[in-house]
Amino acid sequence: EAQVTQNPRYLITVTGKKLTVTCSQNMNHEYMSWYRQDPGLGLRQIYYSMNVEVTDKGDVPEGYKVSRKEKRNFPLILESPSPNQTSLYFCASKTGVKENSPLHFGNGTRLTVT
Amino acid sequence: AQTVTQSQPEMSVQEAETVTLSCTYDTSESDYYLFWYKQPPSRQMILVIRQEAYKQQNATENRFSVNFQKAAKSFSLKISDSQLGDAAMYFCAYRSHGYNQGAQKLVFGQGTRLTINP
Repeated sequence: EAQVTQNPRYLITVTGKKLTVTCSQNMNHEYMSWYRQDPGLGLRQIYYSMNVEVTDKGDVPEGYKVSRKEKRNFPLILESPSPNQTSLYFCASKTGVKENSPLHFGNGTRLTVT
Repeated sequence: AQTVTQSQPEMSVQEAETVTLSCTYDTSESDYYLFWYKQPPSRQMILVIRQEAYKQQNATENRFSVNFQKAAKSFSLKISDSQLGDAAMYFCAYRSHGYNQGAQKLVFGQGTRLTINP
């Protein structure tokens, strides 16, 4: 089954403790992206990647890092999480060459930073 | 930069009735895409309907249809014969046309929570 898999689904951590949210897709998609969802703000893009070893900042990149060493994986790294990073996070992917191809979303990771 | 506005944080409708969710956007581009996504309590993001700006005909998908008013920059979603399974958060989203990096990003509205009353 074609899917975007995020782990974990829920995560509670403390301020300053490094964490990684994994994202993997099995559709051979070139493009992958991370969004965060906050009440009253909708979803906002954090980082994106057009292909392996090609990443760039989205609209809210502060406090986050990403890497794209393999085509299928695009982990989101929080080196020193803070309470304002408490949010619902989504990974998404799409075929890069077909501009009208749909964006496939993972099932989300609910992160709480205390 | 493009912005998307959903002015109705919450809506409710009786089962089997029709409801319309509003969305307006701001852009200087002439070619773009507009989307409605549904997010049920499971948190999945489900694509409901998609509209290309160059197409004058409004998109429809079964009970879901849009009213796309390009000059007014309005993109409302109409749900006919509402069902209990339609209860969800609905997001309107914008994407630029083209192959460049920026064209791949979705710009989302704030969301509208739809409740279906039995």
